[in-house]
Amino acid sequence: GNSVTQMEGPVTLSEEAFLTINCTYTATGYPSLFWYVQYPGEGLQLLLKATKADDKGSNKGFEATYRKETTSFHLEKGSVQVSDSAVYFCALSGPGGGNKLTFGTGTQLKVEL
Amino acid sequence: DVKVTQSSRYLVKRTGEKVFLECVQDMDHENMFWYRQDPGLGLRLIYFSYDVKMKEKGDIPEGYSVSREKKERFSLILESASTNQTSMYLCASGPTRGGALAFFGQGTRLTVV
Repeated sequence: GNSVTQMEGPVTLSEEAFLTINCTYTATGYPSLFWYVQYPGEGLQLLLKATKADDKGSNKGFEATYRKETTSFHLEKGSVQVSDSAVYFCALSGPGGGNKLTFGTGTQLKVEL
Repeated sequence: DVKVTQSSRYLVKRTGEKVFLECVQDMDHENMFWYRQDPGLGLRLIYFSYDVKMKEKGDIPEGYSVSREKKERFSLILESASTNQTSMYLCASGPTRGGALAFFGQGTRLTVV
């Protein structure tokens, strides 16, 4: 079945540092890939998505590229801010999983001044 | 803005009680989902629904049931609450044409004592 593996956290960075959160997946066919973010005390929000190989999703300075050859969708940001402190979830959907999302375990990011 | 509203942010219930968690969305989405979120396990799908009166089991349906009598409302029911059901519960909705895009509520933190 489908699965998502994320790097374990917490990841602690200084403000303006470069961020990479690794995500790899196992799925049948060509799934859609997503990054969701959960700020403290809130539900999940869609951060970015990619629906086919070599697509790059981007939003709020975050980027991730759908790499079919390495089954990866790593999240990157060039310069993090304290306000980026949150939990980040990588997820995938379909075709094997239909319209349901399979999530990774989440990576907590802490950004310090 | 899409809004997914969960009826309670925090609930405390006793072992053996019947518990109802309610979720309402205002965007006429066909698909609705219930997940539970636990540290180190990420989000796991309990049940989902593609249409009114339709439901399908997710990955961890044991001990839960659901009801979808109206398109905008999806209820999660714990028939007889147990302490191992203490968790954060997240409701989500999404359009069929959106290809698994999901919009989440703020979550209900349920404690069973």
